[in-house]
Amino acid sequence: SQQGEEDPQALSIQEGENATMNCSYKTSINNLQWYRQNSGRGLVHLILIRSNEREKHSGRLRVTLDTSKKSSSLLITASRAADTASYFCATDLPPGGYQKVTFGTGTKLQVIP
Amino acid sequence: GAGVSQSPRYKVAKRGQDVALRCDPISGHVSLFWYQQALGQGPEFLTYFQNEAQLDKSGLPSDRFFAERPEGSVSTLKIQRTQQEDSAVYLCASSLTGTGGISYNSPLHFGNGTRLTVT
Repeated sequence: SQQGEEDPQALSIQEGENATMNCSYKTSINNLQWYRQNSGRGLVHLILIRSNEREKHSGRLRVTLDTSKKSSSLLITASRAADTASYFCATDLPPGGYQKVTFGTGTKLQVIP
Repeated sequence: GAGVSQSPRYKVAKRGQDVALRCDPISGHVSLFWYQQALGQGPEFLTYFQNEAQLDKSGLPSDRFFAERPEGSVSTLKIQRTQQEDSAVYLCASSLTGTGGISYNSPLHFGNGTRLTVT
């Protein structure tokens, strides 16, 4: 079973527009991460946000975390065709030993040139 | 490059055959994860190693699935008597720290996966 669920499942935008995707999860977490996966490839880490952080930026990426709502959002600004990929959130459980990492169902983003 | 390497890249097996999938993690990485990814889905956790110790195998679908990492580096995922429902991409990931897959500065590094097709 998967801990997270991304929304929307699929998103199609024009190059230059912003893309926003959301992740909801079920249990308390330690950290939340976002990953990108290009077709036929492995996942690539984008950004990590800790449970005590509310917002984080990295280049054109902005991540927010609302632990009271158990949700996170990933914003990609000024999108490019190369951003076309699937995006997944990943969560781990609070500290207390080994932390299992589980992924959401993903958002498939298409950026049209 | 010194990324995570998985082999073979593609594997076609006849139903009932045994298969072995190999993962070479980044050198020095303590944690190693195996995931199963069905088409259009997110990766599903299978098992986790910290060095040579298998700390969690709760995601293995059945006793036909077996994973090992005997020397704390290379790992092998073995599937016995493959079934059609085993068809998926099998992803391996490693991370530097030993306290779990995600630490404050230790993301997962993924290989490109092995696509298994059972006919």
